[in-house]
Amino acid sequence: NAGVTQTPKFQVLKTGQSMTLQCAQDMNHNSMYWYRQDPGMGLRLIYYSASEGTTDKGEVPNGYNVSRLNKREFSLRLESAAPSQTSVYFCASSEPWTSGRVGEQYFGPGTRLTVT
Amino acid sequence: AQSVTQLGSHVSVSEGALVLLRCNYSSSVPPYLFWYVQYPNQGLQLLLKYTSAATLVKGINGFEAEFKKSETSFHLTKPSAHMSDAAEYFCAVTKAAGNKLTFGGGTRVLVKP
Repeated sequence: NAGVTQTPKFQVLKTGQSMTLQCAQDMNHNSMYWYRQDPGMGLRLIYYSASEGTTDKGEVPNGYNVSRLNKREFSLRLESAAPSQTSVYFCASSEPWTSGRVGEQYFGPGTRLTVT
Repeated sequence: AQSVTQLGSHVSVSEGALVLLRCNYSSSVPPYLFWYVQYPNQGLQLLLKYTSAATLVKGINGFEAEFKKSETSFHLTKPSAHMSDAAEYFCAVTKAAGNKLTFGGGTRVLVKP
């Protein structure tokens, strides 16, 4: 039981390059999330997927797109990377709030992205 | 809109001393409140959560937090710090309808021997 896995762990991009961050969970969770973590700002929600087939914008969606490929996988794409997207990106998953486990999210180890 | 404020981005405590991390929230409805911990180079993990069942909540590793509605606070404490408590701690809030979390800015705890 690996929990939430993310690839890659580290990435360096040049401005304007594109890349996709991969996330997978093996806990059969319906909901998945992408956050970015910047010093002093906590974690900010980029996009989330309440269930397979649905995605919604979070607090900071500009410059990103997502795909909920199936129940297990939720990818984050940067189409044209900018230095402002230098950050640590975390994927998380959870059961739906109706399960009673409100707010209990399980996080992956993160991807450290640098855009030069 | 709901928000969370953590007072102090860095806290330094001696081993064996009290750990106190402050969190205040603003919410138009009674919220669900959480503390998450992030150890170096790892993702976040849930430490404890308040869901209105009891105002004093006990979590893992000897941590506890008290919900005070009159003060809109949810401070985290541990009576005696251990070296392994060195980490960054995040307070978070959500409402019942939905599972999206809003995080505070985080407090990094340094434990001195």
